[in-house]
Amino acid sequence: KNQVEQSPQSLIILEGKNCTLQCNYTVSPFSNLRWYKQDTGRGPVSLTIMTFSENTKSNGRYTATLDADTKQSSLHITASQLSDSASYICVVSHINAGNMLTFGGGTRLMVKP
Amino acid sequence: DAEITQSPRHKITETGRQVTLACHQTWNHNNMFWYRQDLGHGLRLIHYSYGVHDTNKGEVSDGYSVSRSNTEDLPLTLESAASSQTSVYFCASSEQGAPTYEQYFGPGTRLTVT
Repeated sequence: KNQVEQSPQSLIILEGKNCTLQCNYTVSPFSNLRWYKQDTGRGPVSLTIMTFSENTKSNGRYTATLDADTKQSSLHITASQLSDSASYICVVSHINAGNMLTFGGGTRLMVKP
Repeated sequence: DAEITQSPRHKITETGRQVTLACHQTWNHNNMFWYRQDLGHGLRLIHYSYGVHDTNKGEVSDGYSVSRSNTEDLPLTLESAASSQTSVYFCASSEQGAPTYEQYFGPGTRLTVT
């Protein structure tokens, strides 16, 4: 079964610190990997989309990396802000399933002052 | 500005009742999707549509139905609500085309079945 596993499940950091969230997937073959941010009570919002040939993609203080050989991705957040408190969801698009999306369970990040 | 809206935002219903959740998008997107989100699970696909009069079953479609009579709307119907359908439901839409299409999500509907 195609799966997307994220770690840690939850994380607390101090404002201004950096953090890295991990994503391991078994979806194969895949066409792209995405990271979404979901604020409490809101729908997910896309941060980055990477194809299988891309190794890294940035969006402001968010940098996603992808290693297609080991089927791992990470999301690095630099100089965290209180507004970064949210769930971060790793999502993989499956070529053989009509590019349908498989969602990870998310990492809940809390940034404290 | 283009947007995607869902209504109601919160709904409490009784077991066995029929419930319809609305989704409306003004992006003029052909593709529309319904997901449910539960603790311990990632979002799971219920139904999707690639255009008017097109509907397809997703991973967890049992007990749900959709119809697409125009581009803007994809209502989700729970034929006979069950407690297992208590969840947060998200609608999304995207353009047709490349696999890197962006999916835009609505704000969600929290449904409680008592």
